[in-house]
Amino acid sequence: AQSVTQLGSHVSVSEGALVLLRCNYSSSVPPYLFWYVQYPNQGLQLLLKYTTGATLVKGINGFEAEFKKSETSFHLTKPSAHMSDAAEYFCAVSATNRDDKIIFGKGTRLHILP
Amino acid sequence: GAVVSQHPSWVICKSGTSVKIECRSLDFQATTMFWYRQFPKQSLMLMATSNEGSKATYEQGVEKDKFLINHASLTLSTLTVTSAHPEDSSFYICSAAPLAGDIYEQYFGPGTRLTVT
Repeated sequence: AQSVTQLGSHVSVSEGALVLLRCNYSSSVPPYLFWYVQYPNQGLQLLLKYTTGATLVKGINGFEAEFKKSETSFHLTKPSAHMSDAAEYFCAVSATNRDDKIIFGKGTRLHILP
Repeated sequence: GAVVSQHPSWVICKSGTSVKIECRSLDFQATTMFWYRQFPKQSLMLMATSNEGSKATYEQGVEKDKFLINHASLTLSTLTVTSAHPEDSSFYICSAAPLAGDIYEQYFGPGTRLTVT
């Protein structure tokens, strides 16, 4: 079974500062890992995903995440926050077989301070 | 590409009535579609997995007689909330997995806000 823990339900950073959203996962098999962003009253948009290969994954809007197996982590970062980054971010995990489902973390709301 | 639509985007209904929500993959075929429910300020909870031409698989605790799912074609799945009650008020999101892709390639719809009065 898979599970995801996102540390911090709310994170505030100043505009231009580093964004770091933490995610730890649990999986009995090699995982697929995802970060999604959700703006108010909208569906989810995939930011990036890790499946196999390079452990540093680059996504849209300047975000990236690094898969660290030894730490069972997949933290999301962005060097410089922008006001438009304010949203809810979900980390998710899925097992690497076609019949499994995606399990979402509880989400982290990112606030950008002017 | 890979656009998923939902209709309606919001709906208000009276307690005891039924509401149907449509989920369509606009530019790809999807053998599998998923229905999620999201309460305010909470994560998405998978309700059921729907495969074209077969019965949906419901998650534990989800009443299949209350949340009827039909996946009649490779581009359309519907969720019907029967005899809706105020506690069914929520944000319902669907996603679709392309026919030729891996299951992780889920594309999400914009969601449907259901309010039951």
